[in-house]
Order: sequence, then C-alpha cells, then structure tokens
Amino acid sequence: AQSVTQLGSHVSVSEGALVLLRCNYSSSVPPYLFWYVQYPNQGLQLLLKYTSAATLVKGINGFEAEFKKSETSFHLTKPSAHMSDAAEYFCAVTHFGGYQKVTFGTGTKLQVIP
Amino acid sequence: GAGVSQSPSNKVTEKGKDVELRCDPISGHTALYWYRQSLGQGLEFLIYFQGNSAPDKSGLPSDRFSAERTGGSVSTLTIQRTQQEDSAVYLCASSLELNSGNTIYFGEGSWLTVV
Repeated sequence: AQSVTQLGSHVSVSEGALVLLRCNYSSSVPPYLFWYVQYPNQGLQLLLKYTSAATLVKGINGFEAEFKKSETSFHLTKPSAHMSDAAEYFCAVTHFGGYQKVTFGTGTKLQVIP
Repeated sequence: GAGVSQSPSNKVTEKGKDVELRCDPISGHTALYWYRQSLGQGLEFLIYFQGNSAPDKSGLPSDRFSAERTGGSVSTLTIQRTQQEDSAVYLCASSLELNSGNTIYFGEGSWLTVV
C-alpha cells in the first residue's frame, strides 16, 4: 500500500519569501515521488520527480525537492516566491514493479501575497 | 498529438442522463489513466489501461461507471444514470509503456456538472 500526506491545504507566502510545501509518503517498497502543479482551469504539469537517483531533485520554475528516507518526506521548496507560483501543488507516489498506479495527495493551494 | 486531449471540456447534464467523456492520449503512449478531481478533494484514481486492457478497475466508484480503450489509443469514460455526486473534473493522463519512472502527462480535464 502507498499513500501521501500533504500538510496544509492552503499555504500563504509573501512574494520573495521561501516556499515550503510539505509531503510525507508511505510505501512498503522504495518509492518514486512526484510533484505536480495545477494552475487554475488547467490540467496537472510535472514539476519534478525522484526515481532513486540523486536525493535532491531540481525541477522547473526554480523548485526543488529533497528525498529523505529517514523522515519519509519529499518536501517542495523554492527560495523566492513569485506571483506566478500561485497554484495548487500535488505530491504523488508510485513504486517500481507492477502497473504504474500513482497515488496523489489532496493538494496544497499556494497563495503568493504581493 | 502534442498533448493529451480531452473532450468535452465542459459538460452540463441532467440527473439520470448518460455522459461520455473522451480522451486522446499522446501518440505512442501505451498507458492511459483516468482520475477524478472533486471540489476540494485530491485526485481519485479511477482506472488504468495498458494498451487496450485494464488491469485495474478497482477505482471505478460504481457499476454506473465504465471505460474502454480501442486501438491502443482513444479512451472513453462512460457514466450512466448520472447523479449529482458525479459532478467533478475528470482528468485523463498518459505515459510511455509500463515503467514507474515515466512521467504521466495530463490533459486539461472534462468538467462535468450534473444538475
């Protein structure tokens, strides 16, 4: 069984401040982890993914995430928030073996305050 | 095509009517997925296709829901006798053949409203 928990359904940050979106996973086997972003009225777009290579993963738009096995976490960060970062962010988990069922978290809406 | 294409983009239907939602995956992608996103909820897995077969139908919420895929390409999700709780965004996604590291690419969704 696998699952992800995203802490905080809504996060607000000031423009230029650090963005930290939390994701904790549960998986009985080594996981593959993803962060997706959804802008209003659009589908989901991949930000970055961890597939057992480097534990620090860099994605698009200046985002990065670090896989920490000891903490079962995959938090998403960006040093300086931009107004265009306002969106909903989803963490997701799958694992090698079997079909690729991807389990998503409930999402975190990021608000950027000017 | 360049991306995953879904139609209709918006659908308003009366309770009790049947609806069909179509998904055209990225060319060459053998894996196709349907998810449902309700207001304030995460993404709920519905069904997965590898080629034309669906190894896992466990996510379909009831027997009113069915899906098929023909020719290893286009997929149709059918909801019979729609209910108000079926109102949601139905997202289709596709990826290359079975490999858990492959990126899943999403369409923009079909917004279904049952009145």
